[in-house]
Amino acid sequence: AQTVTQSQPEMSVQEAETVTLSCTYDTSESDYYLFWYKQPPSRQMILVIRQEAYKQQNATENRFSVNFQKAAKSFSLKISDSQLGDAAMYFCAYRSYYTGTASKLTFGTGTRLQVTL
Amino acid sequence: NAGVTQTPKFQVLKTGQSMTLQCAQDMNHNSMYWYRQDPGMGLRLIYYSASEGTTDKGEVPNGYNVSRLNKREFSLRLESAAPSQTSVYFCASSVIERSGELFFGEGSRLTVL
Repeated sequence: AQTVTQSQPEMSVQEAETVTLSCTYDTSESDYYLFWYKQPPSRQMILVIRQEAYKQQNATENRFSVNFQKAAKSFSLKISDSQLGDAAMYFCAYRSYYTGTASKLTFGTGTRLQVTL
Repeated sequence: NAGVTQTPKFQVLKTGQSMTLQCAQDMNHNSMYWYRQDPGMGLRLIYYSASEGTTDKGEVPNGYNVSRLNKREFSLRLESAAPSQTSVYFCASSVIERSGELFFGEGSRLTVL
């Protein structure tokens, strides 16, 4: 079974600065997807960014980008120009390519990001 | 613009009581899921339904049952609630295409006394 590890329970960043959240995963598969989800205090889970393992290019979405290192099984999230609205719990998640029609995600334990003035 | 809707948002139960969490999605998704979120443990899959008429166990199915009523609705039932089932429950749905991104409901906070 796959596992996802987020070793930073809490992180803090000053407004307008850059922060990187770490995620590692364990799998024997070669094809899979990786995700970062954001959970603000409202509790709603929001997709931040996704990465297909077969793509070498790192995914980017505005101020959010990833550093995907397939050989190292590492998938970190970089948030640039941090804003107060970025304060949330961030979850890394893994999905096997081979789960058929169901998208069963395995989640990490989350990193709580605090943004300070 | 509803997406995934869960009811109720909050519920307090006594040990041994039963209840059903309801979930409906209006995005015509084939697959639906129930996750629970506990502090320090992330989200764990309870049950899922890959398509209408099918259900399968996830990582933590004990103490729960599910029903895929139709393509839109997927309910989670606690037959005899236990304090260990105190948690936040999320329903989600997904399409088959692309990366299978999950779309989540707003969550239901359940407390079992």
